[in-house]
Amino acid sequence: DGGITQSPKYLFRKEGQNVTLSCEQNLNHDAMYWYRQDPGQGLRLIYYSQIVNDFQKGDIAEGYSVSREKKESFPLTVTSAQKNPTAFYLCASIIRGGSNQPQHFGDGTRLSIL
Amino acid sequence: AQSVTQLGSHVSVSEGALVLLRCNYSSSVPPYLFWYVQYPNQGLQLLLKYTSAATLVKGINGFEAEFKKSETSFHLTKPSAHMSDAAEYFCAVSDPPQVQGAQKLVFGQGTRLTINP
Repeated sequence: DGGITQSPKYLFRKEGQNVTLSCEQNLNHDAMYWYRQDPGQGLRLIYYSQIVNDFQKGDIAEGYSVSREKKESFPLTVTSAQKNPTAFYLCASIIRGGSNQPQHFGDGTRLSIL
Repeated sequence: AQSVTQLGSHVSVSEGALVLLRCNYSSSVPPYLFWYVQYPNQGLQLLLKYTSAATLVKGINGFEAEFKKSETSFHLTKPSAHMSDAAEYFCAVSDPPQVQGAQKLVFGQGTRLTINP
């Protein structure tokens, strides 16, 4: 079955450490997204990418970085510059040009500080 | 700029009762609207979407929503609540492609639905 796989499910970060969250999709979707979810705040867009080797900042990109070297993969790095990284991170994808189509979501990665 | 307001961060109903989750949006053009459901520690699943076709949209699990342009609303309803409906629900809005390139969803803050036996 096609879908989006996020790993790991739980991740712990030490002070000053960068960590990378994985997102892989086999839906042949062009566009991919990273969201941060905090209690009572809904989902906020961190970065998105419409095609390989191209990505744009979302509303809360500071302290995060991404890459898009393959269509299937869109890893998110939470850098040490992100001072409050504890959150639930969700990856999503959609066919390019499919504005009237729903985004498909992975099952998320929960990041906590040690 | 788009925005979404979900009235009530927490809604509690009895099993078998009507479920009504409210969503109001602001958008400069007729938008695309989505309702998603999220179970604990999982991603979001699409319940239904409005994309300028019929104003009454039927979704999965017996849910439906009505797009009312005059009220800028897209409320989610289900005639009879089931225990399995307990989850968090998110309303989201997107401008159509003539306004923006990539789809960018703006989400409401979510409504947690509790079902009482």
